[in-house]
Parts: sequence; C-alpha cells; structure tokens
Amino acid sequence: QSALTQPASVSGSPGQSVTISCTGTSSDVGAHNYVSWYQQHPGKAPQLMIYDVGNRPSGVSNRFSGSKSGNTASLTISGLQAEDEADYYCSSYTSNTLVFGEGTKLTVL
Amino acid sequence: EVQLLESGGTLVQPGDSLTLSCAVSGFTFSSYAMSWVRQAPGKGLEWVSGISGSSAFTYYADSVKGRFTISRDNSKNTLFLQMNSLRAEDTAVYYCAKDRGRLRFFDNWGQGTLVTVSS
Repeated sequence: QSALTQPASVSGSPGQSVTISCTGTSSDVGAHNYVSWYQQHPGKAPQLMIYDVGNRPSGVSNRFSGSKSGNTASLTISGLQAEDEADYYCSSYTSNTLVFGEGTKLTVL
Repeated sequence: EVQLLESGGTLVQPGDSLTLSCAVSGFTFSSYAMSWVRQAPGKGLEWVSGISGSSAFTYYADSVKGRFTISRDNSKNTLFLQMNSLRAEDTAVYYCAKDRGRLRFFDNWGQGTLVTVSS
C-alpha cells in the first residue's frame, strides 16, 4: 500500500492555471476510474473536489477539473484564486483498500 | 444537513486501547459505507479502515490490521474504531468519512479527533 506520488508543491499566480499530478500503478490509478481529489486547508477537514476521475460534486467550482491517462491522474485548477491555496490529495481504490497520494501544497503567489 | 462528529480522542500510553466514536446525522446511515482516515501531525492522509452499510464487509490498512476493529451501530447512527496495542506512530487526527461506494470516494468528513500515543 505505497502512497501515490504527487509533487510536494506547486505554485501559480492569480488567474493562472496549475496542474497537480498523481502517479500510481496498474493496480490502483490505472486499474479503474475510482480516483478522487481532496482539498484541505490548514486545521480543517478534507473536502471532496473531484470523484471518479473527472466528476465534480455539487457546489465545487467548475474551475476544478480532473483527468487520467494510464497510471497518472491529474487535477487542474484554472483561474487561480487566493482561496485555492491549500493542500491537495489524490486517492485511489485498490484491492479492497484505499491509498492516498503524498499530498501537494498549492501556493498562490 | 449531513453531520459527522468524532469523539474519544485523548492521550494514551503505548500498548493501551482506545475506542473512537463518530455520531452521524442528516442521512440514512445504514445505506452508506463508512471509513476512518487519519493524519499524523504535519503529515498526509492515511486511510485506516472501512465498513459496509450492513457491516457485512470490513477493510483495513496493513498498518492497523490485527490491532484495530471497525464497527457500527445502525440503530444509533454511530461508527466506531476500537484501537488496541497502540503505538507512537498511531498518533494522529482521526476523521470519519461517509463513503459513496466501498472505498470509492468520501463526500462528507467529520472535524476529527486527536489521538496521542506517548509515555
């Protein structure tokens, strides 16, 4: 149950777009479409941003989008806003367990 | 409104046991799988354990298998995590989360409860 690989940090200026990658294996990310993304602000509980690779829950801004190619999933945030500064985690189902990514700290410059 | 409220976190010594609870409201508890996810101080998220709506299926991370037991009481809308043989590395904020389909994704989370394992 190794964690999925994410960049430790990404940054962008307001209005720009950033993409966070999430690399797994053919047993997890590459095996199905049960990949999701969570946003976590300091001291707060995680919040679901994307589920099943590219679906947004009700209430989540359409500036957030998800995709997948092979064993790598991606979260793209367009039109960066100051409130997007947070930690982001991907997750994937695998063999009756769930694995999270290492987490990526997004800084809005 | 969906609400999940964890309780039971405290300071314990290595080797001790502790049971966490998660009281839920705002949805039909028995219809949903649930999970526990933890976060060590300054670290990332780690899935710990999951349980189906009927309790027929339970799942555990290798790091807690054999030491932790997940259960639920659908009559009381409450999820539990019994933790035995606690270690320093179990120190974390423990979140309960509502699962939309057997470890598929978590659409609601509690605020977390802190478990500290230290002598």
